[in-house]
Amino acid sequence: QSALTQPASVSGSPGQSITISCTGTSSDVGGYNYVSWYQQQPGKAPKLMIYDVTKRPSGVSNRFSGSKSGNTASLTISGLQAEDEADYYCSSYASSTTLLFGGGTKLTVL
Amino acid sequence: QVQLQESGPGLVKPSETLSLTCTVSGGSISSYYWSWIRQPPGKGLEWIGYIFYSGSTNYNPSLKSRVNISVDTSKNQFSLNVSSVTAADTAVYFCARHPTVTTPRGFDPWGQGTLVTVSS
Repeated sequence: QSALTQPASVSGSPGQSITISCTGTSSDVGGYNYVSWYQQQPGKAPKLMIYDVTKRPSGVSNRFSGSKSGNTASLTISGLQAEDEADYYCSSYASSTTLLFGGGTKLTVL
Repeated sequence: QVQLQESGPGLVKPSETLSLTCTVSGGSISSYYWSWIRQPPGKGLEWIGYIFYSGSTNYNPSLKSRVNISVDTSKNQFSLNVSSVTAADTAVYFCARHPTVTTPRGFDPWGQGTLVTVSS
């Protein structure tokens, strides 16, 4: 059972859009529409931003959106703001009824 | 709204057992799945395992031989035991709820986390 693959870092300027990828296999990301995304600010607990690939919890900005194609899920943040600078993690349900996390992506707002 | 709070020793000796409890307030522990997740200093998140309120469990295969998660519905708490700890078990430990009752996916809300250091 391997962790999902995310880029170590991404960056963008205020107002731009960025996309973070999360690659797994047909036994996890590709096999279920159960991918979720988390934002973690330094010293804080992660916060759920997207669940079930595309759904946004109440209170999460509509600048955050999720998608999936095959074994790769993506988180897109549009209209980038300084407050979006954080670590982002993906997670997926897997066929062994276990759960996986990605290695995390550090987002820098230039 | 539902809130979670981790509690337990912040320092554990090598080879001993790490024990943490997560107390759920503002809602019932019944009808949901509950997980433990950890994060070594400066590193990423690792799912440890989950328990359904009825007591059924599932664990990360890499930790399965050393981990036990239990639930006490009368106290609205669930607990984590990790045996034979080493320095590699040093991490911030989080508890979290799975907001869907059918399949344990998505983690929300989370506890604030508690740092456990393994050292003699």
